[in-house]
Amino acid sequence: GAGVSQSPSNKVTEKGKDVELRCDPISGHTALYWYRQSLGQGLEFLIYFQGNSAPDKSGLPSDRFSAERTGGSVSTLTIQRTQQEDSAVYLCASSSAWDTQYFGPGTRLTVL
Amino acid sequence: AQSVAQPEDQVNVAEGNPLTVKCTYSVSGNPYLFWYVQYPNRGLQFLLKYITGDNLVKGSYGFEAEFNKSQTSFHLKKPSALVSDSALYFCAVRGDSNYQLIWGAGTKLIIKP
Repeated sequence: GAGVSQSPSNKVTEKGKDVELRCDPISGHTALYWYRQSLGQGLEFLIYFQGNSAPDKSGLPSDRFSAERTGGSVSTLTIQRTQQEDSAVYLCASSSAWDTQYFGPGTRLTVL
Repeated sequence: AQSVAQPEDQVNVAEGNPLTVKCTYSVSGNPYLFWYVQYPNRGLQFLLKYITGDNLVKGSYGFEAEFNKSQTSFHLKKPSALVSDSALYFCAVRGDSNYQLIWGAGTKLIIKP
């Protein structure tokens, strides 16, 4: 497939557990973004990767959130000690440099 | 400060009628403007963008948008609405020296048969 893929599509976890969300960007795209979207709401920027540059982590809401991008391709967003307020849809997007962002289908996270 | 406003939370249109979803923006430098659509339980799909050139931009699914520099607007339009156009629409902008998109809050478009 040529699009952005994310896994899992749905994740239900208990409060206090750690979760990992995966994003596989479009091949060749140097930029990768993570966003969070609460139910029916707008997009909240979390983190941005561009090539080998240091990521822009300015949108991460707390130190429980972290992300990495290995080999300039796949990215993993990790949330430690999940809280109920972390429940949301987590969207990943990729782009060629600063061009159009293409989004994956998202991961719906539910923290019980 | 950069910002995007979508003044209508919801727009209701009868099928077959023209539709407009409004977007105004504030950005430093030249604007790069985007429209995305989100169907229920789906990710965002790119519709169209303005970077430079003609003020009227044509995109997917028969949508178009008009860039108006003096009014700092980028309204999304379609001449004849379909029930299947019902979705959540997002406008986004960035300046020419910034990678980060600034997103509007979204407008829910409801097309009634």
